[in-house]
Amino acid sequence: KAGVTQTPRYLIKTRGQQVTLSCSPISGHRSVSWYQQTPGQGLQFLFEYFSETQRNKGNFPGRFSGRQFSNSRSEMNVSTLELGDSALYLCASSPPPGPVHFGNGTRLTVT
Amino acid sequence: AQSVTQLGSHVSVSEGALVLLRCNYSSSVPPYLFWYVQYPNQGLQLLLKYTTGATLVKGINGFEAEFKKSETSFHLTKPSAHMSDAAEHFCAVTTNTGNQFYFGTGTSLTVIP
Repeated sequence: KAGVTQTPRYLIKTRGQQVTLSCSPISGHRSVSWYQQTPGQGLQFLFEYFSETQRNKGNFPGRFSGRQFSNSRSEMNVSTLELGDSALYLCASSPPPGPVHFGNGTRLTVT
Repeated sequence: AQSVTQLGSHVSVSEGALVLLRCNYSSSVPPYLFWYVQYPNQGLQLLLKYTTGATLVKGINGFEAEFKKSETSFHLTKPSAHMSDAAEHFCAVTTNTGNQFYFGTGTSLTVIP
């Protein structure tokens, strides 16, 4: 069974730009969640989608948004990028309830 | 609200020695507890989980953890450290059927040959 796939693996963007990250969950998993990992703040929950609906949301500004498609694939968008958005963004999927399976992440660098 | 505290951001052990990584949680309802491992430039891999039932749970790579409600702890142990255990380890808690996990700040395990 293929794991959680995140694309791209690496991104370099400039302040003020926007970015879209993609996540393909494990086949059959309907829940997709996103996390931001930084050295200073650690792993922080962004949001979770289940059956195309946002079910939970973390404490991030509105510049961070996401969506889920009918095939459970998910995208995360960050608008008006700031230097502090540089991080590893991790996507996770699961058949709720159940352990969460993580992708290898997208490393975003904002210059 | 839920939270996790991992005591010791860095732990060093000799190869073959006991590994003990500490995790304490805070939760107003029965928790689901997890340990994950992260190798450089990779995502998180599930080591083990506790949801209900037996409080001593066994995971992959010889790791195990015991849920102690009275101590609000879920410490990770391994009898004999291996070089391949060197990585960042995260404890996490969730309490609902959704997947909003609260992670600890991580413990970097170094194994000395």
